[in-house]
Amino acid sequence: QVQLVQSGAEVKKPGASVRVSCKASEYTFTRYAMHWLRQSPGQRLEWMGWINAGNGNTKYSQKFRGRVTITRDTSASTAYMELSSLRSEDTAVYYCARDIVGEILGGVIDAFDLWGQGTMVTVSS
Amino acid sequence: QSALTQPASVSGSPGQSITLSCTGTSSEVGSYNLVSWYQQHPGKAPKLIIYEVSKRPSGVSNRLSGAKSGNTASLTISGLQAEDEADYYCCSYAGSSTSVVFGGGTKLTVL
Repeated sequence: QVQLVQSGAEVKKPGASVRVSCKASEYTFTRYAMHWLRQSPGQRLEWMGWINAGNGNTKYSQKFRGRVTITRDTSASTAYMELSSLRSEDTAVYYCARDIVGEILGGVIDAFDLWGQGTMVTVSS
Repeated sequence: QSALTQPASVSGSPGQSITLSCTGTSSEVGSYNLVSWYQQHPGKAPKLIIYEVSKRPSGVSNRLSGAKSGNTASLTISGLQAEDEADYYCCSYAGSSTSVVFGGGTKLTVL
């Protein structure tokens, strides 16, 4: 069925980087934008950025700019999120989510209609 | 970036109707009809239940409805059921520099 399947939990030390993958199934991967969001324990959801899977265009939240990189492999229908210079405050569940409209034009974000199961990233020394 | 304000908790009895509020500003909720709502059960990923203020995705119960007035959006759940017990998050597009903002979530308890 139509789904997004993310990679497994990660434990990282402060200062390290983490890469989370998100594999899409049963829809045309390149017709949609993929977003990355995170949810720290007991906190609100935070949007991190998106990538248009077709042309590779990206946009990042100002909060994460310089530390986050979103890429995709169209042959594998997979999106990736890499977060660098990790600190304890980055401990969170990270989600990929598809944009309901499809490809993002003009930077307008509508809604997130299909979500991955989440990947727990723990940053601890 | 500014965030949307939601009540921390709301409760209701089975069969009742409840309304969850989501208050923003003229920078997001008040300027764009791009408010969405997500339901999240413990340990699960969020699920889209309302988009573009009042539209329901396919498969979402018609007991759920969304609306907006000025800078405040709302989600109404009628005929409360035990399965509605969850956390609910609102989200709004906030322009090209901020992109999107979320509310802090409302925990709905079905008594």
